[in-house]
Amino acid sequence: AQKVTQAQTEISVVEKEDVTLDCVYETRDTTYYLFWYKQPPSGELVFLIRRNSFDEQNEISGRYSWNFQKSTSSFNFTITASQVVDSAVYFCALSRGDSNYQLIWGAGTKLIIKP
Amino acid sequence: DAMVIQNPRYQVTQFGKPVTLSCSQTLNHNVMYWYQQKSSQAPKLLFHYYDKDFNNEADTPDNFQSRRPNTSFCFLDIRSPGLGDAAMYLCATSREVAGKSYNEQFFGPGTRLTVL
Repeated sequence: AQKVTQAQTEISVVEKEDVTLDCVYETRDTTYYLFWYKQPPSGELVFLIRRNSFDEQNEISGRYSWNFQKSTSSFNFTITASQVVDSAVYFCALSRGDSNYQLIWGAGTKLIIKP
Repeated sequence: DAMVIQNPRYQVTQFGKPVTLSCSQTLNHNVMYWYQQKSSQAPKLLFHYYDKDFNNEADTPDNFQSRRPNTSFCFLDIRSPGLGDAAMYLCATSREVAGKSYNEQFFGPGTRLTVL
């Protein structure tokens, strides 16, 4: 069965601290895609990154970085020097192999950045 | 700017009174999705259109219907809303080519539905 686990329900840090959001997935597919989305208090889901199973290179985009490790089935997300605007719920998602274009979503991690 | 637009942003309806939520997109994406999201939960896919082909999730209640009259517009109809249907409804789009490309989904701002 396919599954995405975000074990951290809520994380609270002080501004400028680094924070890592964990994502562990289960799948039997050899080809799959992983995503991270951000949902700020306004409610709109914002796409952050898409990674396919054949690309294990880490990705860095400004203060955001992602560590994909197939050996541990993890796709973790790190925010460096966090800012109050980073406060949001972050979802990790996995492509659902048996049906086109649908995603298995994690439960989300609520990130609170305190000034 | 290309975008996904949802109207209205807030909708109040009465128990059992049909309601329609609308979604439009200027991205010219061929796939459109409707999600239901309840408080503190992940989005739950209700159905999606791949071009004109409608794909219903197995656990989506019959109370929920959808229409896609053209590429740009998609509607969610709730025939007889119950209190349990109060939620945020999110529309999303993606551009998919033949095969499993799994491109990112672009979301609208959502419509928050209240059922009295």
